[in-house]
Amino acid sequence: SQQGEEDPQALSIQEGENATMNCSYKTSINNLQWYRQNSGRGLVHLILIRSNEREKHSGRLRVTLDTSKKSSSLLITASRAADTASYFCATNSGSARQLTFGSGTQLTVLP
Amino acid sequence: EPEVTQTPSHQVTQMGQEVILRCVPISNHLYFYWYRQILGQKVEFLVSFYNNEISEKSEIFDDQFSVERPDGSNFTLKIRSTKLEDSAMYFCASSEAPFGFDRGDSTDTQYFGPGTRLTVL
Repeated sequence: SQQGEEDPQALSIQEGENATMNCSYKTSINNLQWYRQNSGRGLVHLILIRSNEREKHSGRLRVTLDTSKKSSSLLITASRAADTASYFCATNSGSARQLTFGSGTQLTVLP
Repeated sequence: EPEVTQTPSHQVTQMGQEVILRCVPISNHLYFYWYRQILGQKVEFLVSFYNNEISEKSEIFDDQFSVERPDGSNFTLKIRSTKLEDSAMYFCASSEAPFGFDRGDSTDTQYFGPGTRLTVL
């Protein structure tokens, strides 16, 4: 089974609009992390939300976590062309430290 | 701001050759990781390393792979006999937390390097 699946797979919006990306997972988690990846580049950590947290903010980013639905969302407000990238959720479960990544959402912000 | 660094940025090798990918984790971090991302696919966990030994490994991390911390700063991934299917972006990551900490704390955050693109011909 897949742990960490994002939707939509691709999202295209105009600069200034908000972008919402969703992540679903199957097993209980310790925490969930969101990463950004510009084309062909490394993974940049955006935010970590613990399993006992419901919402977290960082600048223009807002992350929610609903453990009853096993889902998380990432909201980017007032998007900019520089936000164009792939966004991945990654979960950490049980006693393992490894992160399990989703397939990602490709966000395109049009100027 | 401290960051994870990786060298080389791109490695081209012939099938069957050995390659060593190098990483310098963030200096006060205690856990180190390797992940890979085959083009167009998900990022996959390979191995984690703590206190000079492998902590966890995935099914991908077979006998062809090994990791080492040869000194106080470097962390390496060796592939003994590369195969075509080893072509991928390899990411090193590190995290701060010592063993036995309260799980789910922000020190779980894994910081990734820029990656090494490995091309096996």
